[in-house]
Amino acid sequence: DQQVKQNSPSLSVQEGRISILNCDYTNSMFDYFLWYKKYPAEGPTFLISISSIKDKNEDGRFTVFLNKSAKHLSLHIVPSQPGDSAVYFCAASLLKMKTSYDKVIFGPGTSLSVIP
Amino acid sequence: NAGVTQTPKFRVLKTGQSMTLLCAQDMNHEYMYWYRQDPGMGLRLIHYSVGEGTTAKGEVPDGYNVSRLKKQNFLLGLESAAPSQTSVYFCASSYRGLRKVLNGNTIYFGEGSWLTVV
Repeated sequence: DQQVKQNSPSLSVQEGRISILNCDYTNSMFDYFLWYKKYPAEGPTFLISISSIKDKNEDGRFTVFLNKSAKHLSLHIVPSQPGDSAVYFCAASLLKMKTSYDKVIFGPGTSLSVIP
Repeated sequence: NAGVTQTPKFRVLKTGQSMTLLCAQDMNHEYMYWYRQDPGMGLRLIHYSVGEGTTAKGEVPDGYNVSRLKKQNFLLGLESAAPSQTSVYFCASSYRGLRKVLNGNTIYFGEGSWLTVV
């Protein structure tokens, strides 16, 4: 059973419009959330993150919203650009106290296509 | 600054063959990871290491072994490859734990290694 879900495998958006990528998680103990972006034939790269003590984090055109009660987060890209076309992975972090290792669970990804 | 480098990039194996994927990072990171990416499954952690000489199991460790003899290198071994191990493998590294991401550190990924087992 996936702990981090991205129910939309793909999304197409017109250039200049808003892209909204959604992510749901099942474990209420997750305390840190991240978004990674991946281009074909490249490794994922960090995009933006949010702590569970916040409900919004903004970085330029990218904003992540967290709704803890709904166990839902979303990534908004405004305005969308063709260069944003990539696969976006949502990830959730759970601190394991014994090892101090931040276990990270990734979602299956959403492929975003921004149409010029 | 090369970041995280994986070799080889592509490999085709026959069932039962063995091979080793090599990961090298030049950022002096304590933590290193091996993930696999499969369609619809996201990135799943195979094994990880919190420092030189240490290894630990991740979510899907069966069929793989790892070693971290040097801080900068993390090797992933397949002793007897199976078709179910056909996947894209990503190595990654980070400073001590993801808590550092609050200060701008994140997990840095390599470009991936495409492995096909026939």
